[in-house]
Amino acid sequence: KAGVTQTPRYLIKTRGQQVTLSCSPISGHRSVSWYQQTPGQGLQFLFEYFSETQRNKGNFPGRFSGRQFSNSRSEMNVSTLELGDSALYLCASSLNSPNTGELFFGEGSRLTVL
Amino acid sequence: AQKITQTQPGMFVQEKEAVTLDCTYDTSDQSYGLFWYKQPSSGEMIFLIYQGSYDEQNATEGRYSLNFQKARKSANLVISASQLGDSAMYFCAMREDPGNSGGSNYKLTFGKGTLLTVNP
Repeated sequence: KAGVTQTPRYLIKTRGQQVTLSCSPISGHRSVSWYQQTPGQGLQFLFEYFSETQRNKGNFPGRFSGRQFSNSRSEMNVSTLELGDSALYLCASSLNSPNTGELFFGEGSRLTVL
Repeated sequence: AQKITQTQPGMFVQEKEAVTLDCTYDTSDQSYGLFWYKQPSSGEMIFLIYQGSYDEQNATEGRYSLNFQKARKSANLVISASQLGDSAMYFCAMREDPGNSGGSNYKLTFGKGTLLTVNP
């Protein structure tokens, strides 16, 4: 069973550019969450999608957006990049089980903003 | 607001010995879930163990066990018989209760992590 796949794995952008990251969840999983990981702030929740609807959103500016497609694949976009957006962006998928809520994470997309 | 505290930035343990990684949490919810994840240098977060707030038994998964003390709001991870491959960052996390919203809530709040080094 394939795991959560994130692309690209590494990318370098400059300030002011925008970036789109992609996440393919485990087959059958309908919930996809995104997290930002930085050395200073640690892991922070960005947003969660279920059946193409955003269910939860973290405390990030509007430059951070996302969407989910009918096949549960998700993308997140960051516009007008800032140096502080350099981070590891992790995607996680889940079956939406109410009992454990186990999340399966991908290996992340490491973004460097110059 | 929820908060997860991991007071040990780094821990060292000898191979084959047991180690306890500390985690305390703060929440006003009655129903919540606690997780431990392992993050090796590759970056992927690997699920280790889960404990529900209403679970009476401490969770165990192979060499991992969760020492859940609800009154003290602690959820320490115990790794028995440490292996070299256990060297990694370990994160404690908490999930909000979905309540009666009709859907599960997968927003996790993470601690800052503990870097575990297993020495041969």
